Amino acid sequence: QVHLEQSEPEVKPPGASVKVSCKASGYTFTDYGVSWVRQAPGQGPEWMAWITTHNGDTNYARKFRGRVIVTVEASTSTVYLEVLSLKFDDTATYFCARDQSMVRGLWDYWGRGTLVTVSS
Amino acid sequence: DVQMTQSPASLSASMGDRVTITCRASEGVDRWLAWYQHKPGEAPKLLIYKASILESGVPSRFSGTVSGTEFTLTITSLQPGDFATYYCQQYIRFPWTFGQGTQVETK
Repeated sequence: QVHLEQSEPEVKPPGASVKVSCKASGYTFTDYGVSWVRQAPGQGPEWMAWITTHNGDTNYARKFRGRVIVTVEASTSTVYLEVLSLKFDDTATYFCARDQSMVRGLWDYWGRGTLVTVSS
Repeated sequence: DVQMTQSPASLSASMGDRVTITCRASEGVDRWLAWYQHKPGEAPKLLIYKASILESGVPSRFSGTVSGTEFTLTITSLQPGDFATYYCQQYIRFPWTFGQGTQVETK
């Protein structure tokens, strides 16, 4: 069965970086793209970035370009999200989500989320 | 960016009720719209895609319709597991965007 296992919660000070992981299992990893979506407290979800797992091509939301890096490690079926120069309003739950077959931006499996708290 | 305006923000309903949630896109998204269900601490779940196609395994009490840029999610006969927050999302163009959500609470 398809499963996306995300890393544990993180607490970071402002200005630091955080790297969150998403390890996939139960399917052919390189056949599906993966997105990162975040949800701040009391707000709707926000798409951040997408990566093709077979060659690492990426697409970032304009808001996050230059401050977010998404990478893939095919050997371990893992996708990473790194957020640089953390600000208080980066406090959110970060989800990874798998594309449904060949349809980019439509997600049929999600991780349970990683809470990142930015606190001094 | 395509703005997705979802309403209501919350609603109270009882088991067996019919529930309707609306999502309006700020510009045409054709039928490239999905609905998700999310419960606290769980992974979000895809319910409907391409406006009206039921994802595999999703009960038939969930349905989606579209009229122009207005999309509707209907739950007929609300069940205990349906109390959750529902989000619409367009996936026709970058950046993919979501509605603010509708929380379905027990009355």
